[in-house]
Amino acid sequence: KQEVTQIPAALSVPEGENLVLNCSFTDSAIYNLQWFRQDPGKGLTSLLLIQSSQREQTSGRLNASLDKSSGRSTLYIAASQPGDSATYLCAGTNFGNEKLTFGTGTRLTIIP
Amino acid sequence: DVKVTQSSRYLVKRTGEKVFLECVQDMDHENMFWYRQDPGLGLRLIYFSYDVKMKEKGDIPEGYSVSREKKERFSLILESASTNQTSMYLCASSLVEGGFAEAFFGQGTRLTVV
Repeated sequence: KQEVTQIPAALSVPEGENLVLNCSFTDSAIYNLQWFRQDPGKGLTSLLLIQSSQREQTSGRLNASLDKSSGRSTLYIAASQPGDSATYLCAGTNFGNEKLTFGTGTRLTIIP
Repeated sequence: DVKVTQSSRYLVKRTGEKVFLECVQDMDHENMFWYRQDPGLGLRLIYFSYDVKMKEKGDIPEGYSVSREKKERFSLILESASTNQTSMYLCASSLVEGGFAEAFFGQGTRLTVV
């Protein structure tokens, strides 16, 4: 059964810093990988999707990469802002299985 | 933009009540999902539907059932609510096409069973 670990569980950094969030899967045969953002008490907002044929995706200050050989993904946030404070979740599907398996998230706080 | 709408943001129900959580998506997606989210446990899949009237159990289906009579609507049913079903419930939908499968979530329903 696929299990997903996100490290660290919580992170506080000063505004303006670049940071990296990590995600690892016990089954490295990830087909699609998605990063989400969740604000307190709210639903999930999709940030980036890495499809089966891709290794990396970028959107503005966000960059996500996937190393399929190791089953690891990183989310890079450049020039962090207080508005980036939220919980970040990664989730993946395996080939032939369209159900997303989630990590427990990294709670990010950007200090003004 | 894809929109997934859950019928309630907050619900308070009594133990033993039958509870319906409704979810509607407007993008003709085949797949729909119900998750629950609890502190320290993350998101856990309750049920998955890949087509009208088709369903598949997730990791924690006990105490729940689902209904999908129309493609755009997926309902989660708590047959007899219990206090351990107090949680945040999240609905999602996705379209699978040529290896592309992006999931979109609703705003969540915070259910409290007293």
